[in-house]
Amino acid sequence: GNSVTQMEGPVTLSEEAFLTINCTYTATGYPSLFWYVQYPGEGLQLLLKATKADDKGSNKGFEATYRKETTSFHLEKGSVQVSDSAVYFCALTGGGNKLTFGTGTQLKVEL
Amino acid sequence: DAGVIQSPRHEVTEMGQEVTLRCKPISGHDYLFWYRQTMMRGLELLIYFNNNVPIDDSGMPEDRFSAKMPNASFSTLKIQPSEPRDSAVYFCASSPWGGSQGLNTEAFFGQGTRLTVV
Repeated sequence: GNSVTQMEGPVTLSEEAFLTINCTYTATGYPSLFWYVQYPGEGLQLLLKATKADDKGSNKGFEATYRKETTSFHLEKGSVQVSDSAVYFCALTGGGNKLTFGTGTQLKVEL
Repeated sequence: DAGVIQSPRHEVTEMGQEVTLRCKPISGHDYLFWYRQTMMRGLELLIYFNNNVPIDDSGMPEDRFSAKMPNASFSTLKIQPSEPRDSAVYFCASSPWGGSQGLNTEAFFGQGTRLTVV
């Protein structure tokens, strides 16, 4: 079946540091890949997505590239802010709208 | 659209009581999902519907849990009887159909119901 593996947290960074959160997946066919973000006390919101190999999703300074050869979709941001502190989930859909999520990675950004 | 609306936001109940969580999906969305989030198990898919029909309920933990979608604008998740280990945040999400090409689309989440069973 489909599965998503992402790095364990928490990840603690200083403001303006570079961020990478690793995500790899296992899926049959050609899944769509997503990053969702969850701020404290809220539901998940879509951060970015990519629907085919070599696509790059981007939003709010975050980027991730769909790498089929390495089955990866790593999240990056060049300069994080305190307001980016949240839990980040990598996810995929394959064969329909059913989402499979990773376990989430908590990011803490300090001044 | 106001987004996915869940009620109540918080629920505290005693063990053995019946609990009903409610969800109003985004109008026009064909899929509705119920998730449970806990520190121990993360985000788990409990059940999802397509056009009001349950498609996959393999994530429902046991017979105490049931979900219904009587129409396109309303769904319930019921726990009877409730137990302390059911304490979690329950999310409802909806998504539109991906089209004839089967292009997968994203889900839109409600703000969740925090359930505490004491």
